[in-house]
Amino acid sequence: AIRMTQSPSSLSASIGDRVTITCRASQGISSYLAWYQQKPGKAPNLLIYGASSLQSGVPSRFSGSGSGTDFTLTISCLQSDDFATYYCQQYYSYPLTFGGGTKVEIK
Amino acid sequence: EVQLVESGGGLVQPGGSLRVSCAASGVTVSNIYMTWVRQAPGKGLEWVSVIYPGGKGSSTYYADSVKGRFTISRDDSKNTLYLQMDSLRVEDTAVYYCARGLTYNGNLCDYRGQGTLVTVSS
Repeated sequence: AIRMTQSPSSLSASIGDRVTITCRASQGISSYLAWYQQKPGKAPNLLIYGASSLQSGVPSRFSGSGSGTDFTLTISCLQSDDFATYYCQQYYSYPLTFGGGTKVEIK
Repeated sequence: EVQLVESGGGLVQPGGSLRVSCAASGVTVSNIYMTWVRQAPGKGLEWVSVIYPGGKGSSTYYADSVKGRFTISRDDSKNTLYLQMDSLRVEDTAVYYCARGLTYNGNLCDYRGQGTLVTVSS
């Protein structure tokens, strides 16, 4: 199975900050990388697919980049609604796998 | 509006069986990829299984951790997705979410429900 490694596992940031989360795949996955946001007690919500395509309805402050093995999720100007846990997921091959998650907390 | 309602969770002893369900409305489960994902208490997300669209004999795939113990299926007449879980282990304790696949790639998931909690404990 492809292993997905996210960093950091948690971070503290302030409203208005630029935040970057990285995700590394144990082997090349082309651009078959998605990012999900999850809030406590809720199901995940798709933000980015194809490494850099914004899902419909997702604010433009979210962006993704990368291909092959190294990927990033950037939140350009952190808002109060963005405090949550973020997961990367590869959908290149089965079994699909998630990263361990990055919890974004208020500083 | 698309709705996915998970149910059937509960407490079961190690080695036991349980079937969780995902009743769909606003979407036809036989026409799309359907996925189960789980989340152990305080832990991250784990992909569990997917079933492809189509009739009987649709392709299915499983996480290594559940292969041979879990079976994904659907009842087209009830528009419902199932996950039959056998030989349950303590480490299968989790909230189980179902999701529909998106049109541009069936493995991209749209989650609509609140999940159902499965607790495996003696």
